[in-house]
Amino acid sequence: AQSVTQLGSHVSVSEGALVLLRCNYSSSVPPYLFWYVQYPNQGLQLLLKYTTGATLVKGINGFEAEFKKSETSFHLTKPSAHMSDAAEYFCAVSVPRGAAGNKLTFGGGTRVLVKP
Amino acid sequence: DTGVSQDPRHKITKRGQNVTFRCDPISEHNRLYWYRQTLGQGPEFLTYFQNEAQLEKSRLLSDRFSAERPKGSFSTLEIQRTEQGDSAMYLCASSLGLGLGSSYEQYFGPGTRLTVT
Repeated sequence: AQSVTQLGSHVSVSEGALVLLRCNYSSSVPPYLFWYVQYPNQGLQLLLKYTTGATLVKGINGFEAEFKKSETSFHLTKPSAHMSDAAEYFCAVSVPRGAAGNKLTFGGGTRVLVKP
Repeated sequence: DTGVSQDPRHKITKRGQNVTFRCDPISEHNRLYWYRQTLGQGPEFLTYFQNEAQLEKSRLLSDRFSAERPKGSFSTLEIQRTEQGDSAMYLCASSLGLGLGSSYEQYFGPGTRLTVT
């Protein structure tokens, strides 16, 4: 079974400052890793994903994340926060299972507040 | 590509009533997932369809819950005899699964928020 831990349920950053959201996972097989963003009363939007290949992945809205197998981590960063980045962010893990699908296991989420 | 749609967006019901939610996936997507998200938590997996076949159900899905995907297109999730603990956001997601060649990206709908009074 897989699990995800997101350190910090709330993060407050100043506009223009670095955004760093931490995610650690547990998986018995090589995982697929995802970051999703959720705005109030909306569904989840995919920011970026790691499946195979390059461990530094770039996503939408200036976000990127680095897969570190030795640390079982997949932290999300953005160099300069914008007011529009205020939202809840979820890290998720799945494993490839062919026709059995790839259900996502989510972390508890991190709510980002951006101060002007 | 019109995205994943869900209907209704909000549902308020009294305890003991039955409710049904609908999800329309992206048209070419053969995989469909239901998740439940309670306040302040991440989504939790409920069930998964590949085409019309329901291939996995979570232990969270009690006997009061049933899901269908006739003809492998839209899906419905029914909750019978609702309880206050069923209050949550119900999210649907779809993806294009082609075995090991799939990108495994899941696209989520806006969700149905259920309130049981």
